Amino acid sequence: ETGVTQSPTHLIKTRGQQVTLRCSSQSGHNTVSWYQQALGQGPQFIFQYYREEENGRGNFPPRFSGLQFPNYSSELNVNALELDDSALYLCASSSQKETQYFGPGTRLLVL
Amino acid sequence: RKEVEQDPGPFNVPEGATVAFNCTYSNSASQSFFWYRQDCRKEPKLLMSVYSSGNEDGRFTAQLNRASQYISLLIRDSKLSDSATYLCVVLSGGYNKLIFGAGTRLAVHP
Repeated sequence: ETGVTQSPTHLIKTRGQQVTLRCSSQSGHNTVSWYQQALGQGPQFIFQYYREEENGRGNFPPRFSGLQFPNYSSELNVNALELDDSALYLCASSSQKETQYFGPGTRLLVL
Repeated sequence: RKEVEQDPGPFNVPEGATVAFNCTYSNSASQSFFWYRQDCRKEPKLLMSVYSSGNEDGRFTAQLNRASQYISLLIRDSKLSDSATYLCVVLSGGYNKLIFGAGTRLAVHP
């Protein structure tokens, strides 16, 4: 196993609600990246955090936000949920530009 | 045009078959290339990196053609356990952003 954990594993929300997803990175890794994977698609990059700062962002609206903590764990927050936000949310930890290791993901369903 | 494009599949092959997956990428400045494997309802896992000289890991061979911006994966002597979705992945420059293709599903049957 990669040592990357995510919580919760599954989540059901309704439109307009807010959600927080959590990721604990592998020991020794200082970078966390978040990806969204819709059904039948490859993962899409949301953003990356390096040493508690956002270090790059994909084509996602501002209602997708994040944090990284001093222990390098991270949160992904999504406000004003929409039906299209239903997806598998993956976090990946790495040591800067080294190989990224993915957690098991959080499956979000928005009704 | 998508940044990384793959054969859509699915590929249905018998055990023992050889199967090849192709992928093209649009950013000529891309530096690193990978194949990830994703089992149903699981996270992607790194299968192998892809180097310009080509590289092999057991039954798996990966090739990169920078001039054509083309990546391939060859699986020889397919096993039932090879059934999965294979994702072609490119590392975007600057920061450590992975760009994934949509994946190609492989089903190996007895």
